Amino acid sequence: DSGVTQTPKHLITATGQRVTLRCSPRSGDLSVYWYQQSLDQGLQFLIQYYNGEERAKGNILERFSAQQFPDLHSELNLSSLELGDSALYFCASSPTGTGALGYTFGSGTRLTVV
Amino acid sequence: AQKVTQAQTEISVVEKEDVTLDCVYETRDTTYYLFWYKQPPSGELVFLIRRNSFDEQNEISGRYSWNFQKSTSSFNFTITASQVVDSAVYFCALSAFTSGTYKYIFGTGTRLKVLA
Repeated sequence: DSGVTQTPKHLITATGQRVTLRCSPRSGDLSVYWYQQSLDQGLQFLIQYYNGEERAKGNILERFSAQQFPDLHSELNLSSLELGDSALYFCASSPTGTGALGYTFGSGTRLTVV
Repeated sequence: AQKVTQAQTEISVVEKEDVTLDCVYETRDTTYYLFWYKQPPSGELVFLIRRNSFDEQNEISGRYSWNFQKSTSSFNFTITASQVVDSAVYFCALSAFTSGTYKYIFGTGTRLKVLA
């Protein structure tokens, strides 16, 4: 157990729908990062939050949004889902905003859009 | 621009062979961090090592060793006497402060297959 909790582990939904992925960081970590891993794209950075505020943005689609709450857990919202959004979504946490100490990854949420 | 290149897409070795996974990075920053992660078939990502740009000492941890060479912008990972349990995808990553923010970039990964 890495200490980073992601729920749900698996999600199957239809195109056009909206889903919410949840992440609880490791105790004491202030930063949360979201990554998308699809077969042909590798690990793509989506967005980072640090202590409740957006810190960095990557290749996140406008249909996707995220937030980090006062208790530091984070949610990634995916809307108007398309088949191409099927992927493994990872959350990671780190103590600082730099990621310099390395990430601790959750076990991921596997999203299948049908 | 920052970039991490793992040119080896897939490597197959026979158990007990040594194998080296290559990682070449690009960054203009003088302070940066390099990492290796392992993703076994179960899917989770496991942190293996972190190295900062001012520490070029090589590191050995059991059967794993890492060779960091700033002169060639490489951070290679060697597994000695490979085992079937080493079969996984290995990712190299770079973290650097660029344009007012920290960017964390992963390579595309190298899939290692260790055959019994």
